[in-house]
Amino acid sequence: GENVEQHPSTLSVQEGDSAVIKCTYSDSASNYFPWYKQELGKRPQLIIDIRSNVGEKKDQRIAVTLNKTAKHFSLHITETQPEDSAVYFCAASLNFGNEKLTFGTGTRLTIIP
Amino acid sequence: NAGVTQTPKFQVLKTGQSMTLQCAQDMNHNSMYWYRQDPGMGLRLIYYSASEGTTDKGEVPNGYNVSRLNKREFSLRLESAAPSQTSVYFCASSHPTGGPGNTIYFGEGSWLTVV
Repeated sequence: GENVEQHPSTLSVQEGDSAVIKCTYSDSASNYFPWYKQELGKRPQLIIDIRSNVGEKKDQRIAVTLNKTAKHFSLHITETQPEDSAVYFCAASLNFGNEKLTFGTGTRLTIIP
Repeated sequence: NAGVTQTPKFQVLKTGQSMTLQCAQDMNHNSMYWYRQDPGMGLRLIYYSASEGTTDKGEVPNGYNVSRLNKREFSLRLESAAPSQTSVYFCASSHPTGGPGNTIYFGEGSWLTVV
């Protein structure tokens, strides 16, 4: 089955700086890659996703890049703000599916004021 | 529009006891899921249901049973709880295909402790 590795496990950045979280996946057939944000004690919520036919996608301060050859994808957050502090999870699946998503182990991002 | 509602929010069980986690969604989604979340392990899929009357095992199904009672409801049962099942459980629902607008909606979580 699919295996998703996520790095780093913790990340601290100064407010206003950029943050980058990286994930690698094992199954070259995976074609859907969402990112979820989970604030302390809350439920995970989708922040951005990308399909394998797209190399990059942006939404305001958040962007995701995908390298199918290397089987890795990354989340980029620019101009970080205190409300960006949370745990971020990457995930991968086949058939552009929400079913049988395999999640990474999470990155705890802390924004230092 | 409540989204995904799961109960109970907190539960303490003794080893060997049984319990059922209830979940309901009001978004007319076909697909429903049960995940568990453990520190350092991310979210792991226990079972999912692609439609009413169908269920499939996920990554960590051992020790659990599920029932898709109807399109709205999907329950998770622990027949004989073990300390290894101490976790936060999330019910979720979605359209089966991911993409713009087709996010997985999670419930608020159920904190289960087995002593």
